[in-house]
Amino acid sequence: NAGVMQNPRHLVRRRGQEARLRCSPMKGHSHVYWYRQLPEEGLKFMVYLQKENIIDESGMPKERFSAEFPKEGPSILRIQQVVRGDSAAYFCASSPAVGEQFFGPGTRLTVL
Amino acid sequence: RKEVEQDPGPFNVPEGATVAFNCTYSNSASQSFFWYRQDCRKEPKLLMSVYSSGNEDGRFTAQLNRASQYISLLIRDSKLSDSATYLCVVNKRGGADGLTFGKGTHLIIQP
Repeated sequence: NAGVMQNPRHLVRRRGQEARLRCSPMKGHSHVYWYRQLPEEGLKFMVYLQKENIIDESGMPKERFSAEFPKEGPSILRIQQVVRGDSAAYFCASSPAVGEQFFGPGTRLTVL
Repeated sequence: RKEVEQDPGPFNVPEGATVAFNCTYSNSASQSFFWYRQDCRKEPKLLMSVYSSGNEDGRFTAQLNRASQYISLLIRDSKLSDSATYLCVVNKRGGADGLTFGKGTHLIIQP
């Protein structure tokens, strides 16, 4: 049973470009969570999704950030018009209905 | 006040020693508590859940004091492989929900 998969593992973007981060949950998991870890900081919750629904987006920045988890395919975290402050590790986690959250290896975004 | 506070360390401990960390959380309504481990530039991995009655898993013991809003982790007979950052984690509502992480305590086990 493959774990949570994220791609790309490393992403470099110039200021103003768009970043799209993908997360495939573990088989059988219907809950997906996105977290951001800024350099020298703890992980911060961003958004919690189930298939085709955003359940809690209280941690998402108000602008430029969006997330989706379509019926088919991976969950996508999209960052428009990236700025240097968006440089961070973005971790996705998945869980069954209730239970432990399993984390993916993360995507390290660098904004030049 | 931060939602979850931990001493960032680093804790430099000789191999074989016992080491203890603690953290405090601010939301008295928090439901679930965990210790995660994060190695450098890796994803966090669940070390153990923490229960009010206290729980033990091999060399690791976790305690929760709801009245003081305090969580502890004790590592006995520390190994070199225990070197990592230990994250105190709280789930405010229990069940499926976003987790609140402390910044972590950095542990270095020295030979």
